[in-house]
Amino acid sequence: EADIYQTPRYLVIGTGKKITLECSQTMGHDKMYWYQQDPGMELHLIHYSYGVNSTEKGDLSSESTVSRIRTEHFPLTLESARPSHTSQYLCASSDRDSFANEKLFFGSGTQLSVL
Amino acid sequence: DAKTTQPNSMESNEEEPVHLPCNHSTISGTDYIHWYRQLPSQGPEYVIHGLTSNVNNRMASLAIAEDRKSSTLILHRATLRDAAVYYCILHAGGTSYGKLTFGQGTILTVHP
Repeated sequence: EADIYQTPRYLVIGTGKKITLECSQTMGHDKMYWYQQDPGMELHLIHYSYGVNSTEKGDLSSESTVSRIRTEHFPLTLESARPSHTSQYLCASSDRDSFANEKLFFGSGTQLSVL
Repeated sequence: DAKTTQPNSMESNEEEPVHLPCNHSTISGTDYIHWYRQLPSQGPEYVIHGLTSNVNNRMASLAIAEDRKSSTLILHRATLRDAAVYYCILHAGGTSYGKLTFGQGTILTVHP
């Protein structure tokens, strides 16, 4: 079973607040990802990392930022939350060196609501 | 990544087999076929993947057409816990990162 954890599970916050969504994995995976998903819609990749001190933006433009100081930890930060940031944020990590053969493990997600 | 086409929804009865189709007519020779599923209020979960040959694991079987332009995910005996959105994804080989493009998927409903 996957050991990847996201906290908080649900977050309701006011506009303008700074928030950090936590993601940790205990599998020693180098590759980690953040996806964003609106209800009933597709997942969109917003950030990814190949290892410590490596971060890249994904396909969907996002005002969020990420950091990768430790292998196991890949937090996502919004400096000033807005209602348009309301969405589900899913963190994942993968276990293969061969990209096409890799298997992604997902956390349970953080449902963010910005009022 | 090349595009896949799946039915929007399918229904099944409990204990019966389910065949979930996926068309990928523009698949390239190095594309792997991946299947994930997403249960309500959860992140996606890996199900199975393959390149050319049919694949089996404890969760499902993957049947790949000889020309690789289509594939079928087979759940041998559906349970209520199999009700989920099933995503068929093509994952390019080479330098592609974890850029799994999740489309709309197929919503599977399992009736008791």
